[in-house]
Amino acid sequence: EVQLVESGGGLVKPGGSLRLSCSVSGLSFSHAWMTWVRQAPGKGLEWVGRIKSHTDDGTTHYATPVKGRFTISRDDSKATLYLDIDSLRFEDTAIYYCATDTFLYGGPYDAYDFWGQGTLVTVSS
Amino acid sequence: DIQMTQSPSSLSASVGDRVTITCRASERMSSYLSWYQHRPGKAPKLLIYASSSLQSGVPSRFSGSKSGTDFTLTISGLQPEDFATYYCQQTYTTPHTFGQGTKLDIK
Repeated sequence: EVQLVESGGGLVKPGGSLRLSCSVSGLSFSHAWMTWVRQAPGKGLEWVGRIKSHTDDGTTHYATPVKGRFTISRDDSKATLYLDIDSLRFEDTAIYYCATDTFLYGGPYDAYDFWGQGTLVTVSS
Repeated sequence: DIQMTQSPSSLSASVGDRVTITCRASERMSSYLSWYQHRPGKAPKLLIYASSSLQSGVPSRFSGSKSGTDFTLTISGLQPEDFATYYCQQTYTTPHTFGQGTKLDIK
């Protein structure tokens, strides 16, 4: 069974930093492309960023609102994905989900087929 | 960035009804379009990928279609467990933008 478990959320002051983790089991993590998606209170899903597998060059891409403040990384030896968040803003308050970005059934089309339950980050003074 | 315009933003329907949700992409993007179901407190769930392919384990009452830059999710014969929020998402290019969501509730 595939499981993604996020952790590291909590209450943080504006300007603070936080590291979120996503522990993955049940799939070949080293080959997985991984993503972060967030949902602010009362809002829809918002794409945060993605990291490719190291065998596919390991590059990262970020949404414009988080570029320069968020860093996605991975430790394949621990099957863990990370999201480092700096200079936190009120508008970063959200549930943060990790998900796998998978090319399904060998075809050219990808989708997010496995998701964690999310971890809540609250930015408040 | 590709913008995904999803409509309607909310929808009321009854068990057994057929409902349709639409997403329009701001530019052509082949079939790199997925649909997700999201219930409060739960992880989002992949329903449809490649605009019309049913994800394994998803009931056949869910279907997707494409016409140019318009994508449609249809649920035929609503069940009680289908009342949730639905999102489209494009994965043609980063950022992988989502539609604004459609909240489906019981009439």
